[in-house]
Amino acid sequence: GAVVSQHPSRVICKSGTSVKIECRSLDFQATTMFWYRQFPKQSLMLMATSNEGSKATYEQGVEKDKFLINHASLTLSTLTVTSAHPEDSSFYICSARDPSRTRIYNEQFFGPGTRLTVL
Amino acid sequence: LAKTTQPISMDSYEGQEVNITCSHNNIATNDYITWYQQFPSQGPRFIIQGYKTKVTNEVASLFIPADRKSSTLSLPRVSLSDTAVYYCLVGDKNSGNTPLVFGKGTRLSVIA
Repeated sequence: GAVVSQHPSRVICKSGTSVKIECRSLDFQATTMFWYRQFPKQSLMLMATSNEGSKATYEQGVEKDKFLINHASLTLSTLTVTSAHPEDSSFYICSARDPSRTRIYNEQFFGPGTRLTVL
Repeated sequence: LAKTTQPISMDSYEGQEVNITCSHNNIATNDYITWYQQFPSQGPRFIIQGYKTKVTNEVASLFIPADRKSSTLSLPRVSLSDTAVYYCLVGDKNSGNTPLVFGKGTRLSVIA
């Protein structure tokens, strides 16, 4: 149980185009999901908190108009990178917590990640 | 949020026991210690969590001294497939559903 999926696993796009990344909780409902970005050889950096039915909360320095987050249902959050540029090339990872699992404090389940390459 | 410090990298031969120590001098009373593992090009996954003394599961052991200012993740008899980055995180057990804050982690390379 507690599986988080992401789609696509990798995407290559041209500079200036938009790319949508999906994050799904497959066997649980998640009112909150988190989006991270990871550059090569670096740690995960939190980008935003996605809240079902309300606006996302962005971390300082993350442009909300560039990284559009939509959490339209309890099992799906999407991250759209608008007008992508080569510097947006990175590994994007989402996470969510299964509220029915309480043995581990704040156990987060991570998606497999999406590798974005902007040419 | 208590800051954590870990070695940047470690090398080990297959079959050896690997111990990765994390320092968290400013850990608070309500803080718990959690370790995550991340394989290349994958999302992190939970390994183990503890508050004090020793915790053991099918994957690893976690040793936490009485002052809780550090913790040691112990991986018994590592194999090549244990090559990954290991993150030590400290968080308030009353914080609820909040994002995890990752430090730089320890990059473990297991050599045949």
